[in-house]
Amino acid sequence: AQTVTQSQPEMSVQEAETVTLSCTYDTSENNYYLFWYKQPPSRQMILVIRQEAYKQQNATENRFSVNFQKAAKSFSLKISDSQLGDTAMYFCAFMKHGGGRRIIFGKGTRLHILP
Amino acid sequence: DADVTQTPRNRITKTGKRIMLECSQTKGHDRMYWYRQDPGLGLRLIYYSFDVKDINKGEISDGYSVSRQAQAKFSLSLESAIPNQTALYFCATSEVAGQYTGELFFGEGSRLTVL
Repeated sequence: AQTVTQSQPEMSVQEAETVTLSCTYDTSENNYYLFWYKQPPSRQMILVIRQEAYKQQNATENRFSVNFQKAAKSFSLKISDSQLGDTAMYFCAFMKHGGGRRIIFGKGTRLHILP
Repeated sequence: DADVTQTPRNRITKTGKRIMLECSQTKGHDRMYWYRQDPGLGLRLIYYSFDVKDINKGEISDGYSVSRQAQAKFSLSLESAIPNQTALYFCATSEVAGQYTGELFFGEGSRLTVL
């Protein structure tokens, strides 16, 4: 069974700094997808970034980028030039390619951006 | 208007009461999901439906039932609520192509408190 581990329950950084959120996962699959979802205080979750395991190039979306290390089963999220609006709970998630399409979430990291 | 709408947004009820959480979507997606979020536990899948005639149990379906009344509507019922069902519940959708992208579209959540 796949598992997703986020080892940092909570983090705080100053506005404009760069912050990295850690995620590790365990799977025997070779083809899969990894995600970072953001849940702001408004509660609604939105997709931040997605990575296909077969792609070696790390995904980037504006200030958000990932460091995907397939051999190490590591998938960290880097937020550059952090903004107050980045304050949220961040969830790392895994989905195997193939049947089921079930997405497995980590327990989340609560990120506070301080003014 | 939100693409994925959940009602009620907040509900307080008593042990033993029957509760229904409703979800409707205007995204035209075939796939709908119910997740439960508890502090420190992340999101866990309760039920999912890939079309009107397809209902599947998730990892924590005991004590819950669902109904897919139409492509756009997916309801979650607690037949006899108990305090450990106090949680934040999310409805989510994905399109068929989402099986390859994994992107879920979430509602704003229904916070349920069982006294």
